[in-house]
Amino acid sequence: DIQMTQSPSSLSASVGDRVTITCRASQKISNYVNWYQQKPGKVPKLLLYAASSLQSGVPSRFSGSGSETDFTLTITSLQPEDCGTYYCQQTYTTPYTFGQGTELEIK
Amino acid sequence: EVQLVESGGGLVQPGGSLRLSCAASGFTFSDHFMDWVRQAPGKGLEWVGRIRSRPNIYGTDYAASVKGRFIISRDDSKNSLYLQMNRLRTEDTAVYYCARNGLHCKDSYCYLDDWGQGTLVTVSS
Repeated sequence: DIQMTQSPSSLSASVGDRVTITCRASQKISNYVNWYQQKPGKVPKLLLYAASSLQSGVPSRFSGSGSETDFTLTITSLQPEDCGTYYCQQTYTTPYTFGQGTELEIK
Repeated sequence: EVQLVESGGGLVQPGGSLRLSCAASGFTFSDHFMDWVRQAPGKGLEWVGRIRSRPNIYGTDYAASVKGRFIISRDDSKNSLYLQMNRLRTEDTAVYYCARNGLHCKDSYCYLDDWGQGTLVTVSS
């Protein structure tokens, strides 16, 4: 199975900060990476697919990049509502796998 | 509006069985691949498996942790997705979500663009 390793596992940032979360795949997966946000007590929400395509309705402060094994999710100008846990997922091949999550706290 | 509503969760003893259902509305259910994802209490997301659409012969894939014990099926006439869980273990305790894949999944990128609220399964004696 393809392993997805996220870093950091948690971080704390202030409103207005630029935040970057990294996801590394255990093998090359082209750009078959999705990013999800899960707010506390809520259902996961799709942010980006195909590494860099923004899902409809998602604010443009979210962006993604990367290919093959290294991927990043960037949030520019962090907002209070961005708190939660962020997950990457590879859909290059089944079984699809998620990263372990990055918990984002707003200072 | 897309709606996915899971049901069937509850308390079951180790070794027992449970069948989850997911009722879909607001979209053409038969066109979409559908997945199950679970989340143990306080833990991250774990992909459970998926079922393709009819043109793809309703093919299924599973995570290694559930393969041979869980079966995913669907009834397009009822806009419903199912997860039959057998030989349940304590480590299967989780909230189970059904989720819809985007239409491009058939020939391109797969991503889960809508999720149900989840149903809790507790495996304990």
